[in-house]
Amino acid sequence: KAGVTQTPRYLIKTRGQQVTLSCSPISGHRSVSWYQQTPGQGLQFLFEYFSETQRNKGNFPGRFSGRQFSNSRSEMNVSTLELGDSALYLCASSTALRAREFNEQFFGPGTRLTVL
Amino acid sequence: KNEVEQSPQNLTAQEGEFITINCSYSVGISALHWLQQHPGGGIVSLFMLSSGKKKHGRLIATINIQEKHSSLHITASHPRDSAVYICAVGNRDDKIIFGKGTRLHILP
Repeated sequence: KAGVTQTPRYLIKTRGQQVTLSCSPISGHRSVSWYQQTPGQGLQFLFEYFSETQRNKGNFPGRFSGRQFSNSRSEMNVSTLELGDSALYLCASSTALRAREFNEQFFGPGTRLTVL
Repeated sequence: KNEVEQSPQNLTAQEGEFITINCSYSVGISALHWLQQHPGGGIVSLFMLSSGKKKHGRLIATINIQEKHSSLHITASHPRDSAVYICAVGNRDDKIIFGKGTRLHILP
């Protein structure tokens, strides 16, 4: 069974631009969560989707958005990029219905975004 | 104060030593997770705990709900155990809160 895939793996953007990151979950997984990891803040939860519905959202500004498609693939978008958005963005898929049923999340390799 | 605190932040030990990493939390939780992150970013879920103790190979995780504390132990540590270990809690508002991680380096 293929794992979670994320594209692109590396991305360089400049301030003010926008970016879209993609995540393909493990086949049969309907839950996709997104996380941001920075050296200063560590891992932070961005959002969680289940069957195309956003179930949960972390404390990030509205510049961060996401969606999930009917095939469970998910995208996240960051508009008006800031230097502080430079981070590793990780996605994870799961069979869990909700974060509190966080049985086993399978993480992708991440997309490393650098904002110049 | 962070809602999830891990200690130590960094740990270097010799191969074969018994390792303990601690996690304390201040919120009500539905479950606690231990994650392992190797260089390059890949994260693996090691354990999910809501009570008691779990064991997988040389790894043991315990949780004390009353004291709001969990420990991850590694017996007979090996250089391949070198990684960042992250504690995460799922709170009752369905939020996931992470500790800052413990960077473990096992010397051969």
